[in-house]
Amino acid sequence: DADVTQTPRNRITKTGKRIMLECSQTKGHDRMYWYRQDPGLGLRLIYYSFDVKDINKGEISDGYSVSRQAQAKFSLSLESAIPNQTALYFCATSDNGQGSSYEQYFGPGTRLTVT
Amino acid sequence: QKEVEQNSGPLSVPEGAIASLNCTYSDRGSQSFFWYRQYSGKSPELIMSIYSNGDKEDGRFTAQLNKASQYVSLLIRDSQPSDSATYLCAVNSSYKLIFGSGTRLLVRP
Repeated sequence: DADVTQTPRNRITKTGKRIMLECSQTKGHDRMYWYRQDPGLGLRLIYYSFDVKDINKGEISDGYSVSRQAQAKFSLSLESAIPNQTALYFCATSDNGQGSSYEQYFGPGTRLTVT
Repeated sequence: QKEVEQNSGPLSVPEGAIASLNCTYSDRGSQSFFWYRQYSGKSPELIMSIYSNGDKEDGRFTAQLNKASQYVSLLIRDSQPSDSATYLCAVNSSYKLIFGSGTRLLVRP
């Protein structure tokens, strides 16, 4: 089984709808991240969480919210979806500490289309 | 804003050649450096990490780091068509990773 899973894998929704993307991991990592990827813009950090009680905004958090329900679960919500939120969304995890702990491991991604 | 810069490519090399991918970064405090491979529509996959100046080899891959020049590179020897992908450079900055936008590599059979 995959260490980092994301659901759904694909979603088409309409402008104004609320959407939740879910991420679960079995790696036992404390740190979890949400990124979006747009063609030519690379990976941009939306939110990150270093433990269940520690949630931080990334560079593009406007229009998004997150919930860290447990060490293994980190959800991303779009409160009112808009077309420019159409993108590929990735969840990632990493261990805590130094050096190799910065290694991040990615889920398979969710392709979101807002019409 | 800390930055990681990569040439977007595509870098085209013949099968069996050495592919050389480059990355520069702006945060002098960075200590950890990573290369990810991403196939179209798939998630990034970690292929190399490097933490100290010099070379680190793993199979056909060699990562090179020069902190004084703020430069990281990835060499792929004996390139194969299956190496055709986008390669992302990532650098730690304040407990997070900053990703470059990637270099697309095409290996011609």
